[in-house]
Amino acid sequence: DVKVTQSSRYLVKRTGEKVFLECVQDMDHENMFWYRQDPGLGLRLIYFSYDVKMKEKGDIPEGYSVSREKKERFSLILESASTNQTSMYLCASSLPRVAGGLSNEQFFGPGTRLTVL
Amino acid sequence: DAKTTQPNSMESNEEEPVHLPCNHSTISGTDYIHWYRQLPSQGPEYVIHGLTSNVNNRMASLAIAEDRKSSTLILHRATLRDAAVYYCILRMYSGGGADGLTFGKGTHLIIQP
Repeated sequence: DVKVTQSSRYLVKRTGEKVFLECVQDMDHENMFWYRQDPGLGLRLIYFSYDVKMKEKGDIPEGYSVSREKKERFSLILESASTNQTSMYLCASSLPRVAGGLSNEQFFGPGTRLTVL
Repeated sequence: DAKTTQPNSMESNEEEPVHLPCNHSTISGTDYIHWYRQLPSQGPEYVIHGLTSNVNNRMASLAIAEDRKSSTLILHRATLRDAAVYYCILRMYSGGGADGLTFGKGTHLIIQP
């Protein structure tokens, strides 16, 4: 069974702490993504990576950074956590997008519910 | 980006077919119609996608209107495990690279036993 795993299901941190969220996929996918999901705001893309050591900003990168040192692992870093970063964080992976409509469906992890106090 | 419109919620009975509608009147010729669903306390999962022709897979069927301005996700025999939020999204395939997903509010499907 293909899998995307995230390091924690629930996490509680204090304002100002540095927070690491880890994501690992076992499908040898080139692409990896970090999203946050908030009620009423849907799913929003924070950062993505299409190759090792490559990263691209998504729609809401402010306050976050990422690291991709190995193909299977994509880390999301909150340099100084704030209360407005309390959210559900979802990691996903996929094959590269190709022309012709072959599905590059994204496979999601179970999510990490982060609370910043 | 072309937008989709879905009902906020729908209710169905177990073991009956479910038709989930999606309107996308501003769809462009290169947009593919994708469906994902999100079960309670889980990450989203891919369901199906198509361009013009109707599509079937082990999870569902996708019926696409001839003018492509609407589509319907069909669950042939709903079970309690199909209770989830269903998202209809448009994705353009132009080759290469990566692109993120943007989900709206989706349709909250409730299955009654």
